[in-house]
Amino acid sequence: AQTVTQSQPEMSVQEAETVTLSCTYDTSESDYYLFWYKQPPSRQMILVIRQEAYKQQNATENRFSVNFQKAAKSFSLKISDSQLGDAAMYFCAYRSARGGSEKLVFGKGTKLTVNP
Amino acid sequence: DAGVTQSPTHLIKTRGQQVTLRCSPKSGHDTVSWYQQALGQGPQFIFQYYEEEERQRGNFPDRFSGHQFPNYSSELNVNALLLGDSALYLCASSLVGGYSTNEKLFFGSGTQLSVL
Repeated sequence: AQTVTQSQPEMSVQEAETVTLSCTYDTSESDYYLFWYKQPPSRQMILVIRQEAYKQQNATENRFSVNFQKAAKSFSLKISDSQLGDAAMYFCAYRSARGGSEKLVFGKGTKLTVNP
Repeated sequence: DAGVTQSPTHLIKTRGQQVTLRCSPKSGHDTVSWYQQALGQGPQFIFQYYEEEERQRGNFPDRFSGHQFPNYSSELNVNALLLGDSALYLCASSLVGGYSTNEKLFFGSGTQLSVL
């Protein structure tokens, strides 16, 4: 079974600075997807960024980028120019690319605080 | 577009009772997944419904059951409630096969269930 581990329960960053959230995963599959989701106090999970395992290039979405190390099974999220609105719980998630399997496996999350 | 809507937002039940949670998917989506998020944890996959049938199931007992209607809306039923069933229940909708086309998974804001 696949597992996702987020080793940082809490992180803090100063506004406008850069922060990196860590995520490792365990799988025997070679093809899969990795995600970072943001969960603000409204509780709705919002997709931040997605990475396909077959792509060597790291995904980027505006101020958000990932460092995907397939051999090390590592998938970190970098937030640049942090804003107050970035404060939330962040969850790393895994999904198999096997047909018919759409379930996400989530880590326990990292609470990000942004200090003004 | 209303996105994914869930009802009720909060619910209080007593041990042994039964509960029904409801979810309306985002317009155009035909697949609904349910997740349980205990306090301080990441969401855990319960099951997914497509074409009114359970398509995939996570590691949850038979007390958890579901239904999908012809209009794609879905219900999650939990029988014989236990204290440990207290959690945030999230519904997510997608278009089947959508991941292959970069289609996003959309989450609702959840139903907070408290079992006393």
